[in-house]
Amino acid sequence: DTGVSQNPRHKITKRGQNVTFRCDPISEHNRLYWYRQTLGQGPEFLTYFQNEAQLEKSRLLSDRFSAERPKGSFSTLEIQRTEQGDSAMYLCASSLALGREEKLFFGSGTQLSVL
Amino acid sequence: AQSVAQPEDQVNVAEGNPLTVKCTYSVSGNPYLFWYVQYPNRGLQFLLKYITGDNLVKGSYGFEAEFNKSQTSFHLKKPSALVSDSALYFCAVRAPTSGTYKYIFGTGTRLKVLA
Repeated sequence: DTGVSQNPRHKITKRGQNVTFRCDPISEHNRLYWYRQTLGQGPEFLTYFQNEAQLEKSRLLSDRFSAERPKGSFSTLEIQRTEQGDSAMYLCASSLALGREEKLFFGSGTQLSVL
Repeated sequence: AQSVAQPEDQVNVAEGNPLTVKCTYSVSGNPYLFWYVQYPNRGLQFLLKYITGDNLVKGSYGFEAEFNKSQTSFHLKKPSALVSDSALYFCAVRAPTSGTYKYIFGTGTRLKVLA
């Protein structure tokens, strides 16, 4: 178990630029989640995948956000035309939800700062 | 829609005293309930969960939580607090009967254990 890996750890960008984050889940985990966390708040659900299928996406998520999980392995989260309000910690988590083993394993996150 | 409330932004407790961090939930059907902890500059870590069965569940680091269906609560407890327990604690809920594997998190409670 090498844990959930997220890259980069930090990203600074200018308003209007596109950014892409990567998440490598624990290898045997079939579900992968993206959350966003701002200071003083809990993780806010963005989307989740089961294998390569994106099963749910938050209605709060603008069309500028897109996520993929090709081949059901790693995932990418892209934000187009970034805005200052996108500044947050982006968290990835994975799980192998088999009954009583259900729990999320989180990565350390990618901190995005939009200037 | 499912939701979680953590009514206290911060809880202060003296080392050696018992601690309680409160969580209430709203969900259709029976909930799956979780507690996660976040230490500074680290990802969220799973502490414990309630799926079914005994209302008192035990987890990592001596923590436990009691599921109370009539009060829709899932408070986190520890008989004797340690300074090292100081961290940010999040309650989360999933509604298994909704057909989704989405987890909703509370806003978090900062626990400070004073020496």
